[in-house]
Amino acid sequence: DTGVSQDPRHKITKRGQNVTFRCDPISEHNRLYWYRQTLGQGPEFLTYFQNEAQLEKSRLLSDRFSAERPKGSFSTLEIQRTEQGDSAMYLCASSPPAGGLAGELFFGEGSRLTVL
Amino acid sequence: AQKITQTQPGMFVQEKEAVTLDCTYDTSDPSYGLFWYKQPSSGEMIFLIYQGSYDQQNATEGRYSLNFQKARKSANLVISASQLGDSAMYFCAIRGTGGFKTIFGAGTRLFVKA
Repeated sequence: DTGVSQDPRHKITKRGQNVTFRCDPISEHNRLYWYRQTLGQGPEFLTYFQNEAQLEKSRLLSDRFSAERPKGSFSTLEIQRTEQGDSAMYLCASSPPAGGLAGELFFGEGSRLTVL
Repeated sequence: AQKITQTQPGMFVQEKEAVTLDCTYDTSDPSYGLFWYKQPSSGEMIFLIYQGSYDQQNATEGRYSLNFQKARKSANLVISASQLGDSAMYFCAIRGTGGFKTIFGAGTRLFVKA
């Protein structure tokens, strides 16, 4: 089991450009989450997928953000027209179907975005 | 809605001593789960321990134990026999009845001194 994989690990972009992050969850996990973490803060929930269905989206996720999980396996998070305030670590996590309240999240190593 | 409050931005502990990291929570859900995660400087979040709101006993996992006081809405993490490798950020988190959204606190940075 290779764990949750995120790509790229680091991305530097200029303001106004679009960026896309990819997350490959643990293979048998049907739940997938995206979080954003800024320096010195805890992860902030962005969105959640169960299989291919996006079941919740945070108000933090403006219209410039979109996430997909087309076949219920990997997921992408796209940020359009990036702003300097988007600079953060974007964390992906997955959990197995039977977890319920008790199921812990398995996190990837994150994708760090720097917007110049 | 759920909320986690961690009031200790930083904590110091001598190696081999025990340390308590504070966590209080707020939720209107009748059942919920409480978690602690560790984030070393490498960045990857690591699950440490879980406590269910209806669990009668405090959770323990090796050197980690959770001091759960439901009436006070607190879920403090106790690390016994601290090691240098315990130096990291520690996050308390809660998941409510909906069962999928986990909310994290701002974290406590722990420094273990040799």
